[in-house]
Amino acid sequence: DAGVTQSPTHLIKTRGQQVTLRCSPKSGHDTVSWYQQALGQGPQFIFQYYEEEERQRGNFPDRFSGHQFPNYSSELNVNALLLGDSALYLCASSRGLVKDTQYFGPGTRLTVL
Amino acid sequence: QQQVKQSPQSLIVQKGGISIINCAYENTAFDYFPWYQQFPGKGPALLIAIRPDVSEKKEGRFTISFNKSAKQFSLHIMDSQPGDSATYFCAASMRKTSGSRLTFGEGTQLTVNP
Repeated sequence: DAGVTQSPTHLIKTRGQQVTLRCSPKSGHDTVSWYQQALGQGPQFIFQYYEEEERQRGNFPDRFSGHQFPNYSSELNVNALLLGDSALYLCASSRGLVKDTQYFGPGTRLTVL
Repeated sequence: QQQVKQSPQSLIVQKGGISIINCAYENTAFDYFPWYQQFPGKGPALLIAIRPDVSEKKEGRFTISFNKSAKQFSLHIMDSQPGDSATYFCAASMRKTSGSRLTFGEGTQLTVNP
């Protein structure tokens, strides 16, 4: 039973560029959430997707956008990258929108130079 | 607004000892309290979780104690092992028909010395 997978593992970008991160949820899960984890801090909620729609959003600017596909996989897009966007981006999946239990992937380490 | 406060920031315990990490929350609407374990370079792994209708939950060497009136909960790791050395995060969420988001504490870096 495959867990949550994310790609790529690492990414280096320069300020002003755009980036796309990808996530495949755990088998049987249909809800995907994205979190940003800065070094030495706890994960911060970005947004959550269910039935291909953004259902909840945290306190992140519109530069952060996402998408969910019919197969439940998801993408996180960040435009106009800033140095402060450097972080570990985590994807979590759950079975159903109101289910509490979320399982995390290994994350994508984004470095903005 | 920091809604979940975690302490201590770091903890050093001898092998075989008890590790205790504490969390306090503000929002009484929270109804699910998980603990995650994270190793360097890895994503958080769900360790154990509790709901406010029980005061304690035990799974192996890991126990959550929950005090609803004080709005506090804690993780106890019995017989701590060097392999338990990791960063631990408490979290909280509330069920909504619009979805469920986790609010995390700042993390505790646990070191278990052999």
